[in-house]
Amino acid sequence: DAGVIQSPRHEVTEMGQEVTLRCKPISGHNSLFWYRQTMMRGLELLIYFNNNVPIDDSGMPEDRFSAKMPNASFSTLKIQPSEPRDSAVYFCASSLGGDNSPLHFGNGTRLTVT
Amino acid sequence: GESVGLHLPTLSVQEGDNSIINCAYSNSASDYFIWYKQESGKGPQFIIDIRSNMDKRQGQRVTVLLNKTVKHLSLQIAATQPGDSAVYFCAENYGWGGISKPGGSNYKLTFGKGTLLTVNP
Repeated sequence: DAGVIQSPRHEVTEMGQEVTLRCKPISGHNSLFWYRQTMMRGLELLIYFNNNVPIDDSGMPEDRFSAKMPNASFSTLKIQPSEPRDSAVYFCASSLGGDNSPLHFGNGTRLTVT
Repeated sequence: GESVGLHLPTLSVQEGDNSIINCAYSNSASDYFIWYKQESGKGPQFIIDIRSNMDKRQGQRVTVLLNKTVKHLSLQIAATQPGDSAVYFCAENYGWGGISKPGGSNYKLTFGKGTLLTVNP
């Protein structure tokens, strides 16, 4: 099992540019989560999908952020336009759902917006 | 324990000693708790979980204790090794207990700020 795969591992971009982060969940997992981690705020849930459908996007900070899950094996988180305060590590996680299935996190994408 | 400030609480132990990492959770209605380990440059990794109908659960070299009276959770690591050096997060959730919701117990997990464990050889 390759685990949750995220790309790119690092992204450096200039303010105003569009950024797209990618995630491949573990095969067979039906729940997918996007988190953001900063020193100030810790781990924050941005959006959560179940069976490819967005269930809760209340954690998405602004309209500049959007996420899609076109199929069970792929999700994207897009920031357009990016701002320096978006700099953080973005994690994707997946789980089987249900009450006895832990979250499996990818190794994250470190985003730096200059 | 957990911190709401910028600086992570730290715990430094000698290799071979036992470690105890503490966490005070906020929601008295929380009924599911998880400990995660995060090594530098990696995502959080599941260690162990516990339901509110239990006060102790053991895994391999790890034990989680839950005290609902004072809303306190702890992670004990036996015979700590250098590979245990990492940031440890507790996470809480509520709604388990037969209530079915999409995503189950992982939905809306609230993570603590973490504790940095350093193991000295």
